[in-house]
Amino acid sequence: EADIYQTPRYLVIGTGKKITLECSQTMGHDKMYWYQQDPGMELHLIHYSYGVNSTEKGDLSSESTVSRIRTEHFPLTLESARPSHTSQYLCASSDPGTGGVDTDTQYFGPGTRLTVL
Amino acid sequence: KNQVEQSPQSLIILEGKNCTLQCNYTVSPFSNLRWYKQDTGRGPVSLTIMTFSENTKSNGRYTATLDADTKQSSLHITASQLSDSASYICVVSDRGSTLGRLYFGRGTQLTVWP
Repeated sequence: EADIYQTPRYLVIGTGKKITLECSQTMGHDKMYWYQQDPGMELHLIHYSYGVNSTEKGDLSSESTVSRIRTEHFPLTLESARPSHTSQYLCASSDPGTGGVDTDTQYFGPGTRLTVL
Repeated sequence: KNQVEQSPQSLIILEGKNCTLQCNYTVSPFSNLRWYKQDTGRGPVSLTIMTFSENTKSNGRYTATLDADTKQSSLHITASQLSDSASYICVVSDRGSTLGRLYFGRGTQLTVWP
C-alpha cells in the first residue's frame, strides 16, 4: 500500500466556490502528478511536478492551478468551480524504480470525487 | 496518433474461472507497458511492468504478456476471486522525455460472480 493521501475523499460544492484538493506523500518522491478521470474513461494528466518549485501543465487543459512548496505536498486549487469541473481527481507520485526512468512506477492516492452543483 | 485500446470494455465471469484481457497500442517510441488494477472509488495499483525486452511477467495469479512487434499485450487472470472485481488499466509509456509520457487505456471492467 502506497503512502499517498488525498483529502477530501468526496466534495460537493456550489458553482463559483474556491476549493483546494490536498495531496501528500511520505515516500520522499520528487515527481508528483494530478490526473482527472471521468467514469469509464481514461486518466488525463492535468499537472505534474519534478520537485520543489517545479510545476508543469499536463496534456488536458485545466483551469486548476498547483503548487509545490514542499516535496511531500502537491495541492490543486480551483479558483471558481463550475459544473464542468465535476470529476474524479487522482494524485500520484513516482520513484525511479530499479531500472531507471524506464521503470518509473506511479503510486496513486485514493482520489477525490468532486461534484459541482 | 498514440493510443491505447483495451478489450473487452466489460467482462463478467464466475469465481474460479480464468480470463484474459487485451491491450493494443500504437505508442511510439515504446518504453514500457504497465497493467494497473483500480478498485471502485480507489486509485490504480500497479500489477506488472514490462520493458521492450520482456515478453511475460507474473504477479501471483496475474500474468502479463507483451508482443512488441504486434504492439499487443494481454493480462491473464487465473482462478479468479471475488476480489478481482475491478477495472484493469493498460498504460504505455513512450521514450524520449524525462517524464516518460504515459498513455492510458479506458480499462476493462471485470466482475467476478460467486
